[in-house]
Amino acid sequence: QQQVKQSPQSLIVQKGGISIINCAYENTAFDYFPWYQQFPGKGPALLIAIRPDVSEKKEGRFTISFNKSAKQFSLHIMDSQPGDSATYFCAASPGTYKYIFGTGTRLKVLA
Amino acid sequence: DADVTQTPRNRITKTGKRIMLECSQTKGHDRMYWYRQDPGLGLRLIYYSFDVKDINKGEISDGYSVSRQAQAKFSLSLESAIPNQTALYFCATSDRVGNQPQHFGDGTRLSIL
Repeated sequence: QQQVKQSPQSLIVQKGGISIINCAYENTAFDYFPWYQQFPGKGPALLIAIRPDVSEKKEGRFTISFNKSAKQFSLHIMDSQPGDSATYFCAASPGTYKYIFGTGTRLKVLA
Repeated sequence: DADVTQTPRNRITKTGKRIMLECSQTKGHDRMYWYRQDPGLGLRLIYYSFDVKDINKGEISDGYSVSRQAQAKFSLSLESAIPNQTALYFCATSDRVGNQPQHFGDGTRLSIL
């Protein structure tokens, strides 16, 4: 019930392509869904977040799609660039302090 | 300067030693957290603190202890380190109001031989 399942574990995309990372959850009490981006040697940094009252949120090339009925949410990176190569974590929170993180996706964008 | 500073950045030590990892923040946040990151497991919460007098266990607190010395300082201790505590450790902070984003330090890479 408390898990957040993230896939794929790793992803290779050509420059200019679309990167898609998926997450699924079980706990319907989750009401805040952030995505974090982590570069080697750095801590995770908030990329974009969504609440379940909207189905999509876009910030620049990054879009979260949220499907409340399926209990799934995904991150889409449009026009992927080599600088986007990083590890991405989804997370879910039940309206409190506590985040449950996915296991991470290592993205590599080929030049 | 970084808003959330962790020291040391790297540490190699031996089994049985006592280790302290320190975290300080200049964001003025009340809430502070310690996470552990392992390959393929994501980030797991060790301890969290809502203020100096409010400290709580997370999902993997066994073998760890914490101290909140001030609003801005939160330290993590391993009383008697063991090899399976080798991991990347992160401190994070968040504001008290509602469900706010967590802001992470750059981590401490800890190796226990």
